[in-house]
Amino acid sequence: AQKVTQAQTEISVVEKEDVTLDCVYETRDTTYYLFWYKQPPSGELVFLIRRNSFDEQNEISGRYSWNFQKSTSSFNFTITASQVVDSAVYFCALSEEGGFGNEKLTFGTGTRLTIIP
Amino acid sequence: DTAVSQTPKYLVTQMGNDKSIKCEQNLGHDTMYWYKQDSKKFLKIMFSYNNKELIINETVPNRFSPKSPDKAHLNLHINSLELGDSAVYFCASSQDLYPEAFFGQGTRLTVV
Repeated sequence: AQKVTQAQTEISVVEKEDVTLDCVYETRDTTYYLFWYKQPPSGELVFLIRRNSFDEQNEISGRYSWNFQKSTSSFNFTITASQVVDSAVYFCALSEEGGFGNEKLTFGTGTRLTIIP
Repeated sequence: DTAVSQTPKYLVTQMGNDKSIKCEQNLGHDTMYWYKQDSKKFLKIMFSYNNKELIINETVPNRFSPKSPDKAHLNLHINSLELGDSAVYFCASSQDLYPEAFFGQGTRLTVV
C-alpha cells in the first residue's frame, strides 16, 4: 500500500523568508510518480509539479524548488523569498504506475502555509 | 476557457434528497476522476473512468453512482443524501501516459 506523510500540519513564516515543506512517501512499486498541489484559500487544487521515480534531478521553477531523494523516500518543496500569495494548503501526492485510468493519487494530509506580511 | 469545470459550485440540500454534480473537461483527456475532500481537508479518490469505462471504484457507498456519457463528461449522482456526505467533491482529468491530474474548482456539498 502506498502512503504519503506530511508531518508539518501548519507553518507560519514572515514574508521573504524561505520555507521548506516536507514530504515522505512509502510505496512497494519501483515505478511511481510524485506530485505537489497547491490549494489556495479560494479552494481549487492547482498542480505544481510531477517527478518520476527514475528521475532524481532536483527542479527549480522561479522561487519554487523541489528536492527528490529516493534514499530517504522524500520529496521536499522549498519556497524561496516567500510572498503572501504563497499562503495556501500544499499537498504532496503519490501515484503508482498504472495507465488508462489506473493512476490514483494518494494524498498526504497537507501543510497549511501562512505567510505573514 | 476553463479546463475542468464542475457545476454547481455550492450545493445545500436536505437529508434524504438525491442530487447530481456535473463535470466537463475540454483538455481532450482520456481519464476523469471524482475525489472527495472531507472537513479535515483529506483527499481521497472515489472513481476513475477511462474513455467512458469505469476503472477505479473505491469503497464508496452504492448511493454514489458516477456516469460518463462521453470521455469529456463525468457526472456524480448521489441518492438518499446523509449528513456524512457533506464534503467538497472534486472532478479531475488526466491524459494517458501523463499521470498528473487537473482538478475542477470543487463542489461544496452541505447536507442539512
